[in-house]
Amino acid sequence: DQQVKQNSPSLSVQEGRISILNCDYTNSMFDYFLWYKKYPAEGPTFLISISSIKDKNEDGRFTVFLNKSAKHLSLHIVPSQPGDSAVYFCAASANSAGGTSYGKLTFGQGTILTVHP
Amino acid sequence: DSGVTQTPKHLITATGQRVTLRCSPRSGDLSVYWYQQSLDQGLQFLIQYYNGEERAKGNILERFSAQQFPDLHSELNLSSLELGDSALYFCASSVEMGTVGGYTFGSGTRLTVV
Repeated sequence: DQQVKQNSPSLSVQEGRISILNCDYTNSMFDYFLWYKKYPAEGPTFLISISSIKDKNEDGRFTVFLNKSAKHLSLHIVPSQPGDSAVYFCAASANSAGGTSYGKLTFGQGTILTVHP
Repeated sequence: DSGVTQTPKHLITATGQRVTLRCSPRSGDLSVYWYQQSLDQGLQFLIQYYNGEERAKGNILERFSAQQFPDLHSELNLSSLELGDSALYFCASSVEMGTVGGYTFGSGTRLTVV
């Protein structure tokens, strides 16, 4: 049961344009969402997060949008740069659930972003 | 350097063998998490420790076990290895038990079972 899904395995954009990465989830207990970036031969790096009490969080060129009714979140990168080329993972957690869910991140499959100069 | 150290970086072993993966968390972090990333898969949560105690468990096989020691480093033991256990194993750490602010990941151990 894939509770967090990234349906696009890859995305290619031109430098300077917007990159939009999408993520869907099924578990209504999820209340905290994160995006991680991963370069080859490195571990994932935390990028940005959003709590379920918000619908938008912005950090520089990165903005995450959350649509709880649709159980959908997206990451916008504007403007995209060649250095942004990496695998992007969406992740979710149920922090308020407590018990065995607390601290566990459920990851999507990842989307490979390629930004062309 | 993320501050989370995993050793070894690469490991090749035969089926049926046992291996131990080691993780040193970032200084000051009390919580350690283990994740498995198989080919074409996302990261799968295995287990979490907080200050020496097991706190959360994912789909970790009975052949796998882990512990966190008093100095807060953690080891993941994989036994009776099968070809399907070949994967990247990541360790992550955080100050507290929860996920607010995210974890810091190590660079992983690539395990190949032949």
